[in-house]
Amino acid sequence: NAGVMQNPRHLVRRRGQEARLRCSPMKGHSHVYWYRQLPEEGLKFMVYLQKENIIDESGMPKERFSAEFPKEGPSILRIQQVVRGDSAAYFCASSLTDRAYSGNTIYFGEGSWLTVV
Amino acid sequence: QKEVEQDPGPLSVPEGAIVSLNCTYSNSAFQYFMWYRQYSRKGPELLMYTYSSGNKEDGRFTAQVDKSSKYISLFIRDSQPSDSATYLCASLGNYKLSFGAGTTVTVRA
Repeated sequence: NAGVMQNPRHLVRRRGQEARLRCSPMKGHSHVYWYRQLPEEGLKFMVYLQKENIIDESGMPKERFSAEFPKEGPSILRIQQVVRGDSAAYFCASSLTDRAYSGNTIYFGEGSWLTVV
Repeated sequence: QKEVEQDPGPLSVPEGAIVSLNCTYSNSAFQYFMWYRQYSRKGPELLMYTYSSGNKEDGRFTAQVDKSSKYISLFIRDSQPSDSATYLCASLGNYKLSFGAGTTVTVRA
């Protein structure tokens, strides 16, 4: 059973370019989350999506960042006009449902490391 | 105030020692608590999760939650060099995880 798949693993972008990060959840999971890990900081929630719906984007910066989870295909986190401060590890996670109960664990992918030069 | 506070360490112990990691949280509504292990340049790997107060043991790992003091602990017995990693505590409020900053642990051979 494949885990959460993220690509690319490493991405280098010049300031002002766009970054697109892709995430395929675990088989059978329809709930996807994106987290960001800045250097020397913990993981911070960005957005929670279900198929074709953004449920909670309270952790997303208001500008330049967007996320989608289309009916077909992976979830995409898009960062437009990247700046040096966007350099971070971006992790995707998935779960079976959205409710916290015993057994409903949240699994993370290996991450996408974005470097803005 | 951060929802979950964790001493970032670093923590260095000799092989075979007991590793003790702690976190505190502020939101009384939290019911589920997780510990993740993260190796360098890798994703967080779920180690253990507990519900409400109490202890949970899995091999060399023991997780404890004390809701009265809002305290979360992880103990690693008979630590091995392969346990060297960053350990993240997290509290789950429905779908959203609130993480501590992570404690970097080095087990010396």
